[in-house]
Amino acid sequence: GENVEQHPSTLSVQEGDSAVIKCTYSDSASNYFPWYKQELGKRPQLIIDIRSNVGEKKDQRIAVTLNKTAKHFSLHITETQPEDSAVYFCAAGSSASKIIFGSGTRLSIRP
Amino acid sequence: GAVVSQHPSRVICKSGTSVKIECRSLDFQATTMFWYRQFPKQSLMLMATSNEGSKATYEQGVEKDKFLINHASLTLSTLTVTSAHPEDSSFYICSARVRTLSDTQYFGPGTRLTVL
Repeated sequence: GENVEQHPSTLSVQEGDSAVIKCTYSDSASNYFPWYKQELGKRPQLIIDIRSNVGEKKDQRIAVTLNKTAKHFSLHITETQPEDSAVYFCAAGSSASKIIFGSGTRLSIRP
Repeated sequence: GAVVSQHPSRVICKSGTSVKIECRSLDFQATTMFWYRQFPKQSLMLMATSNEGSKATYEQGVEKDKFLINHASLTLSTLTVTSAHPEDSSFYICSARVRTLSDTQYFGPGTRLTVL
């Protein structure tokens, strides 16, 4: 089955700097890669997703890249703000099937 | 759109009792719902996949006789934790997928279960 690894587990960046979180997956059949943001005690919120037919997607300060050959995908947050502090999860899966989550990255933005 | 609700949001029960958690899609029909469990400071672990009108598919290591899942309609799935024990205390979250072959999952707000 699918296995998703996520790094780093914690990340602290200065406000205004960029943050990068990386994930790898094992199942070459996976074609859907969402990223979720979860604040303490709340539900995961989808912030961006990418499908295997594209290599990069951007939405304002957030971008995701996908390297299918290497089975890597990454989340990039630019111009970080205090409200970006949360736990971020990557996930991998396929249409009409389940997604498997990475272990999470706790992002802290230093003022 | 795509709102998912869960009830209750928090429940405390005695060891040995059973607890039912409801997951509803409020403004769409969910052909598939997923149940996750999340321990403090850990990731979401998929417990089972629930398709309307059919038996749930459980992940390896999840006891189907302990965690009963019923997906009786396109807007409601329930998870019953039977004979709950303190080690079952966790945050249980459901998600719903809008339709077959759609990727996006929308999550409910979660239910915090504490077993005394």
